Amino acid sequence: SQTIHQWPATLVQPVGSPLSLECTVEGTSNPNLYWYRQAAGRGLQLLFYSVGIGQISSEVPQNLSASRPQDRQFILSSKKLLLSDSGFYLCAWTGGYNSPLHFGNGTRLTVT
Amino acid sequence: TQLLEQSPQFLSIQEGENLTVYCNSSSVFSSLQWYRQEPGEGPVLLVTVVTGGEVKKLKRLTFQFGDARKDSSLHITAAQPGDTGLYLCAGAFYNQGGKLIFGQGTELSVKP
Repeated sequence: SQTIHQWPATLVQPVGSPLSLECTVEGTSNPNLYWYRQAAGRGLQLLFYSVGIGQISSEVPQNLSASRPQDRQFILSSKKLLLSDSGFYLCAWTGGYNSPLHFGNGTRLTVT
Repeated sequence: TQLLEQSPQFLSIQEGENLTVYCNSSSVFSSLQWYRQEPGEGPVLLVTVVTGGEVKKLKRLTFQFGDARKDSSLHITAAQPGDTGLYLCAGAFYNQGGKLIFGQGTELSVKP
């Protein structure tokens, strides 16, 4: 069966420090991968999505970047965190068009 | 840019009452999904609707997809405290490569 791993679960970082959040998927190949951010338990904002290795689409201009170095690995990064980067970050995968999203358990990021 | 309008944002009701959550867009959905999210976890899929006019039932939950595929509703009959949570609709649009856009969410509280 397919599983998705996302870590760390919680992170507290000072303003100006770098960020690296990692997400891996097991049990499937060539998944579509997504990074979402959720503020205060509200709707999910799509940050990045990827349909293949090295293929990244960015949805909003921001302080973050994403990379997909391997088929089932998706990384969210920042060189210098801002206070506004605080939030709940969720990684997800789908098997393709009209397929449901399968989410990781999220990373709670607090920038101080 | 396609947008989803989800309403209401907050709903607080007594056990046994009925409720309806709405999800609307000015664009046609290729498919629409409903998710439920518990605090500190990723959203979990409830249902996917694809065909205009489609109705799906999941125990006390009834999901409808509008004939024009621009709107959807989630109706809960005789709500129970265990239904408490954040309900999210997510739509895929034809010209967006299958990526899913989320509504703002409906935070439901069912009091015993």
